[in-house]
Amino acid sequence: QSALTQPRSVSGSPGQSVTISCTGTSSDVGGYNYVSWYQQHPGKAPKLMIYDVSKRPSGVPDRFSGSKSGNTASLTISGLQAEDEADYYCSSYAGTYLFGGGTKLTVL
Amino acid sequence: EVQLVESGGGLIQPGGSLRLSCAASGFTVNTNYMSWVRQAPGKGLEWVSIIYSGGSTYYADSVKGRFTISRDNSKNTLYLQMNSLRAEDTAVYYCARVAYYESSGYLRHDFDIWGQGTMVTVSS
Repeated sequence: QSALTQPRSVSGSPGQSVTISCTGTSSDVGGYNYVSWYQQHPGKAPKLMIYDVSKRPSGVPDRFSGSKSGNTASLTISGLQAEDEADYYCSSYAGTYLFGGGTKLTVL
Repeated sequence: EVQLVESGGGLIQPGGSLRLSCAASGFTVNTNYMSWVRQAPGKGLEWVSIIYSGGSTYYADSVKGRFTISRDNSKNTLYLQMNSLRAEDTAVYYCARVAYYESSGYLRHDFDIWGQGTMVTVSS
């Protein structure tokens, strides 16, 4: 199974919204509601931000939201803040676990 | 406090072996599904292996037959035995807990707790 497809980079100014896409197939993203998103700052471990496509763990700001349409999932970050600058990875359950290649978010 | 702490990484020659450890605190390893995820330098995340609470184990094709995941219940520790190491195994290795729904106990298929990672470098 191939990795999920994410844009290499996205950017936005403070206060703006950005959306990161994650494209898979009907065997992974499209076939299960087990899409999750992770934030990773340089040199740090990944942190769970979204699970089950659109649910937020306790402590994650509601500026972070997730959705899915067909074989593509999306992470939207609204009201961008400087501390949101990080790498973001999507993941989907597909019998095993697939990750996207990661998207670097730059806050301008 | 719920946490995972990895150890055992280092520099190893191609063809060599290494065992990584992941000590858990705040929860019990053997009643959870536990995984190893790795990240090559400057690259994305790659799932490596999982051990179910019942003991079943599964591996990514890239490590099947070379890596073995296990646990020691008395030490509340997860392990990854890595044999026949290759240059392409060079990565930071993270252990992670597979999350579950607290209301039902059913698996959630995401990773809610991660260790800090341990670096494995395979080079001559």
